[in-house]
Amino acid sequence: EPEVTQTPSHQVTQMGQEVILRCVPISNHLYFYWYRQILGQKVEFLVSFYNNEISEKSEIFDDQFSVERPDGSNFTLKIRSTKLEDSAMYFCASSEDQVGGRGYTFGSGTRLTIV
Amino acid sequence: GDSVTQMEGPVTLSEEAFLTINCTYTATGYPSLFWYVQYPGEGLQLLLKATKADDKGSNKGFEATYRKETTSFHLEKGSVQVSDSAVYFCALIYLSGTYKYIFGTGTRLKVLA
Repeated sequence: EPEVTQTPSHQVTQMGQEVILRCVPISNHLYFYWYRQILGQKVEFLVSFYNNEISEKSEIFDDQFSVERPDGSNFTLKIRSTKLEDSAMYFCASSEDQVGGRGYTFGSGTRLTIV
Repeated sequence: GDSVTQMEGPVTLSEEAFLTINCTYTATGYPSLFWYVQYPGEGLQLLLKATKADDKGSNKGFEATYRKETTSFHLEKGSVQVSDSAVYFCALIYLSGTYKYIFGTGTRLKVLA
């Protein structure tokens, strides 16, 4: 069954450093997403991406965050200058259609720890 | 705004016990409702879904019925197995600009042999 692949599975980064989280969505999917879950809290929407541009972003997704699809397969989330409160599990997802009525396919997540 | 509330865990059961994980939602419209499961070391996987009132979603012995009158979507299984140990997330999808999910906090289930 097709998978969404995320790397790395764990990342420890010093505060103030840049970090890039990588995702390979399912090849025929057109819509891509990043969600995050701070420990013990809800899974929160960060950003959606379609046709090589951001469709929607949440209040969390400030100027420190950016997304890119640098080639036909990868979808990356960059945090430019990390803060302690960026520590969370980050999930990438993709879907065939905008509505996601069949559900999104999520990756296994990257656990980001800022020290 | 729209929200999802699910029971806190962890829930610890013996094998073959009956499982209920409660989920209620608040929504202005008529959202689609989902249960996702996350097994250790894996991603969120769609377990089941329901798109309108009174729909019952089912998969792998799990069931949930979309109850509009009680705004609930409780997850049930008649006889759990050790392999069901995972974190279960209730979610709805809503339209605000684009479609996006609202997730509950997740409920960890541990099934003992």
